[in-house]
Amino acid sequence: GAVVSQHPSRVICKSGTSVKIECRSLDFQATTMFWYRQFPKQSLMLMATSNEGSKATYEQGVEKDKFLINHASLTLSTLTVTSAHPEDSSFYICSARDGVGASETQYFGPGTRLLVL
Amino acid sequence: QKEVEQDPGPLSVPEGAIVSLNCTYSNSAFQYFMWYRQYSRKGPELLMYTYSSGNKEDGRFTAQVDKSSKYISLFIRDSQPSDSATYLCAMSAGGNNRLAFGKGNQVVVIP
Repeated sequence: GAVVSQHPSRVICKSGTSVKIECRSLDFQATTMFWYRQFPKQSLMLMATSNEGSKATYEQGVEKDKFLINHASLTLSTLTVTSAHPEDSSFYICSARDGVGASETQYFGPGTRLLVL
Repeated sequence: QKEVEQDPGPLSVPEGAIVSLNCTYSNSAFQYFMWYRQYSRKGPELLMYTYSSGNKEDGRFTAQVDKSSKYISLFIRDSQPSDSATYLCAMSAGGNNRLAFGKGNQVVVIP
């Protein structure tokens, strides 16, 4: 299957700093990528849909000025958590859509664990 | 009613048993059906993918989709301890529509 990478896999930062997470599709081009957040023992919560060359679409309740998304190329989307606070500590996972029509599916990255002190 | 229902209750089975998981859904527009496996502290890994109704088999895994009943299933034959993980069902209407997830089933295969 297709491969999606994320970097970094884990980050610890001080409150008030900004953190950038990268999501790359390694062997396919993805016009659409997705960013999720997952709390322990819960399912994935979609934060935003990232479209190459255009503004991201944020889900209700997600602050677009706090979670900045940039999808500058067909293989890279970035999520920047600005002025991070302890409540932003979570597991962030991206996914990329591959295929068209009947073969369309989503592949997930390995996730980034963020801890804000 | 939630879009996707998946009983999250932990499931423990002895090694070699058949694991049976299922999800129901309410949105008749769903056309793409997936099962993901997620190990602790890792991203979800695509296990099975089915477009529209039907069965699909891949090794020890079988996925079934019954659109008339809005019901999907995943069967794992000859379960192994390495199958111990959380299994998430997911579905979509395709295009720019997002994935709708079940809550996930935690499966433990006991050696």
